Amino acid sequence: EDQVTQSPEALRLQEGESSSLNCSYTVSGLRGLFWYRQDPGKGPEFLFTLYSAGEEKEKERLKATLTKKESFLHITAPKPEDSATYLCAVQARGDYKLSFGAGTTVTVRA
Amino acid sequence: GAGVSQSPRYKVAKRGQDVALRCDPISGHVSLFWYQQALGQGPEFLTYFQNEAQLDKSGLPSDRFFAERPEGSVSTLKIQRTQQEDSAVYLCASSLVTSRNTGELFFGEGSRLTVL
Repeated sequence: EDQVTQSPEALRLQEGESSSLNCSYTVSGLRGLFWYRQDPGKGPEFLFTLYSAGEEKEKERLKATLTKKESFLHITAPKPEDSATYLCAVQARGDYKLSFGAGTTVTVRA
Repeated sequence: GAGVSQSPRYKVAKRGQDVALRCDPISGHVSLFWYQQALGQGPEFLTYFQNEAQLDKSGLPSDRFFAERPEGSVSTLKIQRTQQEDSAVYLCASSLVTSRNTGELFFGEGSRLTVL
């Protein structure tokens, strides 16, 4: 069974204080690893897909990286509007569904 | 509208009542998923449709849960004889591509079900 573990559960940052979120996964053949952002009362919003170890993707202050066992989401010089829950998910080869972790809730104080 | 639309946004049901949750995906999207999200947890897969065909229903927790997408567009998730443990947010997501090829999922805002 696919497993996704995210840490830490919660992260409180000062504006401008860079940090990283971790996503550890086990999957029987990785098709893709996904990062989503979820604001309170909203559905998840797609950020990135990573397909193979060594791949990196960037969007504004966010950068996602992938190894064979984990993915990191780096937040550089965060702003209060980066406050959200960040969800990691994996898709196994030949499977339809995404398996999500429980998320990391990031709070950025001005 | 441009996004995935779900209704109702909030539903309160007495234990034992039947409920129906509606999802209107983005026009032209082939794939449609239903997920269940408990408070403080990530979404859990329930079922997947490719057009009108339900290709995976392995995540439905019991035979009280039933989903359909008869014309390959709007989908309905029905829960019969609701129990307190059914209280959660039910998320619908759609995608332009067939899921085994991966692709960006577009989620609706969810239907929050509270069973008293």
